[in-house]
Amino acid sequence: GAVVSQHPSWVICKSGTSVKIECRSLDFQATTMFWYRQFPKQSLMLMATSNEGSKATYEQGVEKDKFLINHASLTLSTLTVTSAHPEDSSFYICSARITDQPQHFGDGTRLSIL
Amino acid sequence: AQTVTQSQPEMSVQEAETVTLSCTYDTSENNYYLFWYKQPPSRQMILVIRQEAYKQQNATENRFSVNFQKAAKSFSLKISDSQLGDTAMYFCAFMNPPNFGNEKLTFGTGTRLTIIP
Repeated sequence: GAVVSQHPSWVICKSGTSVKIECRSLDFQATTMFWYRQFPKQSLMLMATSNEGSKATYEQGVEKDKFLINHASLTLSTLTVTSAHPEDSSFYICSARITDQPQHFGDGTRLSIL
Repeated sequence: AQTVTQSQPEMSVQEAETVTLSCTYDTSENNYYLFWYKQPPSRQMILVIRQEAYKQQNATENRFSVNFQKAAKSFSLKISDSQLGDTAMYFCAFMNPPNFGNEKLTFGTGTRLTIIP
C-alpha cells in the first residue's frame, strides 16, 4: 500500500521548453503533496506544499511563476518547469501523505536541460 | 525554524557488523515526529523508521532501532547485522505534528553509508 507514482522518470529537453512532471498516489487519497528538489550529493530541499483544490504554498526563494504546481484531485499533482534552462537541471521528487501518516515518496524525475 | 544536523557525511562498516548514525535537531516544540529515510543508488526515498516525540519507548523495525534522547534532542539510528543492501544515503528528518498546520519535513544533510563485503 501507499504507492506514489512519478512520471516521467527521466526527461531531456532543450533550453526554453516547458516540462511537466506528474505525481500520483495510486492506492490512497493524499491530503497533501510535496515537491522537492535534490542536487547531486545533497539533501532534499522542499520547493512547495500542495493541497487539493487550493494554491500551492511555496518555500522562500522558489519562483512560483517558474515552477507551476497544480493539484486538481486528491490523487494527482503536477509540477511544470516553465521555460527551463540548464540551471533547472536537477532531480525532482514528489511525496504524498494523508493525515497522521508519513510521507510516501515517488521514484523521482531526473531533469536534464540542454 | 527547525534544523536537523547529521555530523557524519560518510561511514563504512563491514558486513554483519553494527553501525550507528547520528542525528541532532533543534526545536522549541514539545510534540513532533522524527524519521529516518534511506535513499539507495536508485534514489528512491524509503522510510526506515519513525518516532513520535511523546513516546518514550524507542522505535524498532527488525534490524533497525533508534536511540531517542528528547532532552538532548538526539535521534540516532542503529543498524544491526548490516547487509550489503543497506548501502545507501540515510537522511534524518523532522516534522511538526499535523495539528500544527505545518507538516513539511525538514531533512538533514545525510550520511552516506557503505557496507563492505
